[in-house]
Amino acid sequence: QQQVKQSPQSLIVQKGGIPIINCAYENTAFDYFPWYQQFPGKGPALLIAIRPDVSEKKEGRFTISFNKSAKQFSLHIMDSQPGDSATYFCAAQNAGGTSYGKLTFGQGTILTVHP
Amino acid sequence: DAGVTQSPTHLIKTRGQQVTLRCSPISGHKSVSWYQQVLGQGPQFIFQYYEKEERGRGNFPDRFSARQFPNYSSELNVNALLLGDSALYLCASSLSLRGGNTIYFGEGSWLTVV
Repeated sequence: QQQVKQSPQSLIVQKGGIPIINCAYENTAFDYFPWYQQFPGKGPALLIAIRPDVSEKKEGRFTISFNKSAKQFSLHIMDSQPGDSATYFCAAQNAGGTSYGKLTFGQGTILTVHP
Repeated sequence: DAGVTQSPTHLIKTRGQQVTLRCSPISGHKSVSWYQQVLGQGPQFIFQYYEKEERGRGNFPDRFSARQFPNYSSELNVNALLLGDSALYLCASSLSLRGGNTIYFGEGSWLTVV
């Protein structure tokens, strides 16, 4: 019930490609969905986030698409660069729940962008 | 501005020992959460504290405990360490308990249990 399932586990694209990372959730109480980027040896850093009343959100080269009925959301990285090579985590939060600070994370996607 | 700071950055402990990890949240942030990240997995929620009170607990044994101080800094304690406790321990802070507030992570404390 609390899981967030993320795919693929790893992804390799060429520079300029558009990697897509997908996540699915079961708990309909989730109402805030952030994506985090993590470089080796660093903590996760917030990339972009969306609420379920919006179907798409774009910030720079990063776009989240959200399908509330399917309980799925995805991250698209436009014009990917070698510097985007990192591990990406989707997450979900029950903003109205009792554990407000609790994020439930997906398993992560290791993205490699070749020059 | 300083982000979330954690100490120590790396440490090695022996099975059965106890460890204390420390965290200072971003200035003005009153909520601190702790996460455990095992290699190759996403972070798992351990605790959340707000105004020195525990506001949430994940599915971790009682060997794990935490507290928050009046200056909003926090400590995570783990007793009777097991090999499986080897992980990156992340502290996160946010402005308040309100859902949807950006949660900022520190760079973590790498714990190795041998």
